[in-house]
Amino acid sequence: RKEVEQDPGPFNVPEGATVAFNCTYSNSASQSFFWYRQDCRKEPKLLMSVYSSGNEDGRFTAQLNRASQYISLLIRDSKLSDSATYLCVVSPPNTGFQKLVFGTGTRLLVSP
Amino acid sequence: GAGVSQTPSNKVTEKGKYVELRCDPISGHTALYWYRQSLGQGPEFLIYFQGTGAADDSGLPNDRFFAVRPEGSVSTLKIQRTERGDSAVYLCASSPRGGTSGGAVNEQFFGPGTRLTVL
Repeated sequence: RKEVEQDPGPFNVPEGATVAFNCTYSNSASQSFFWYRQDCRKEPKLLMSVYSSGNEDGRFTAQLNRASQYISLLIRDSKLSDSATYLCVVSPPNTGFQKLVFGTGTRLLVSP
Repeated sequence: GAGVSQTPSNKVTEKGKYVELRCDPISGHTALYWYRQSLGQGPEFLIYFQGTGAADDSGLPNDRFFAVRPEGSVSTLKIQRTERGDSAVYLCASSPRGGTSGGAVNEQFFGPGTRLTVL
C-alpha cells in the first residue's frame, strides 16, 4: 500500500463549483500534513498546512481525520486559475519533519 | 527576493554517462532537500542536508546517486552511469532550518527543477 494515496482525477468542474479532494495515508503516526499545488511543468508550492482542528484560507478548507487517516481539501467557488494538480503531503514519524511524502496528485480542470 | 534556482533547466545525456545537477538555495536557508519527480507521480524524497552534512539520505535509490553540499549553501546531485530509468525532474527545495519553528513545520520552497533525459 502506498504511504499516501489520492485519486489522480482529472476532476472537471465549471467555474463557481465546489470541489473536494480526499487523500489517505498509511502510517497512523504521521505527524504533519499539507496540501501543495503544482501547475503544469512548474514546481510544487505550499497551498496550506492541515491541522487537526481543520483550517480555512479564503475559498480553501482543509481537514484532517486522524481516526480514519484521511485528509481533505475543499475548494469553493472554483476559479479558472485553480486549474492545477493538488498534491497531498505527509511528514512521516521519526523524520524530524524533514522528509515529505507526496501523493501522486489530483488534477483539477476548471472550465468557463 | 530570489528563490531556489537550479541548473541546468534541462539535461539530455546518454546511458552510462555521468551528470551533475546544481541547486542554489534561498540565501540563509540551512536546510536543503532533493526530490525526484517522474511523470504522473508526486515528488519522491532523495536526501536532506542540514548545513554541510547529509542528515538523511534514505531516499537515494542506489550508490550511483550522491549529493554534496560542501559549504552549506550550494548543493550538487551527482549521478554516475546514468540509466534510462533515471529520467525525471529533479527538484531541490530549501527551508530556513530543518524541523519546526515555534511549533510550525518549516515550509520547503522548491526550485523549478532540472529535467533529466537519459537516452
